[in-house]
Amino acid sequence: ILNVEQSPQSLHVQEGDSTNFTCSFPSSNFYALHWYRWETAKSPEALFVMTLNGDEKKKGRISATLNTKEGYSYLYIKGSQPEDSATYLCAPVGTASKLTFGTGTRLQVTL
Amino acid sequence: DAGITQSPRHKVTETGTPVTLRCHQTENHRYMYWYRQDPGHGLRLIHYSYGVKDTDKGEVSDGYSVSRSKTEDFLLTLESATSSQTSVYFCAASRQSDQPQHFGDGTRLSIL
Repeated sequence: ILNVEQSPQSLHVQEGDSTNFTCSFPSSNFYALHWYRWETAKSPEALFVMTLNGDEKKKGRISATLNTKEGYSYLYIKGSQPEDSATYLCAPVGTASKLTFGTGTRLQVTL
Repeated sequence: DAGITQSPRHKVTETGTPVTLRCHQTENHRYMYWYRQDPGHGLRLIHYSYGVKDTDKGEVSDGYSVSRSKTEDFLLTLESATSSQTSVYFCAASRQSDQPQHFGDGTRLSIL
């Protein structure tokens, strides 16, 4: 079981603000890192799967970076919109390809 | 939509009864997973399958068993349900272990 920490636990921003959150994980035996977005009353939806140190992925206004040597990933949202309100989960992949999910960062974007 | 259906969506049962949850997928994904989600915890892996009749334990497998007799179906069984197994259960599937997982809508299970 990997020790995964996400910070902050929750975040409240205004529409148009840019924001970022952190996922920390053990840097040893790293295989990959998943990011998911989870809206209330829905199921988690995959955003990115990242594998290489220095990897950077982008999907619309959302991007993520990965540092496998120090064991962290950042998720950025540029110009937050109310529809970005969700919980963002990261999950490093450990042995036997098992994911260990963090408890998430809950983002609320208000007008 | 990756065609993942969980049934039932809601269930209330009594302590000591057996319960089976079903996950059905239509995309021929090789890997399937069962997670539980509880307040204060992230999604925790119960069991997963890497092919027909190939399964392995996850982080919180005690009290649960699984079966996968065909690619599209992955069953989670609570042999004798306990109140600590009250939770929301999610099924997921992926083509390969290094690819994104696609989740079902969840099953809310209450054990009284």
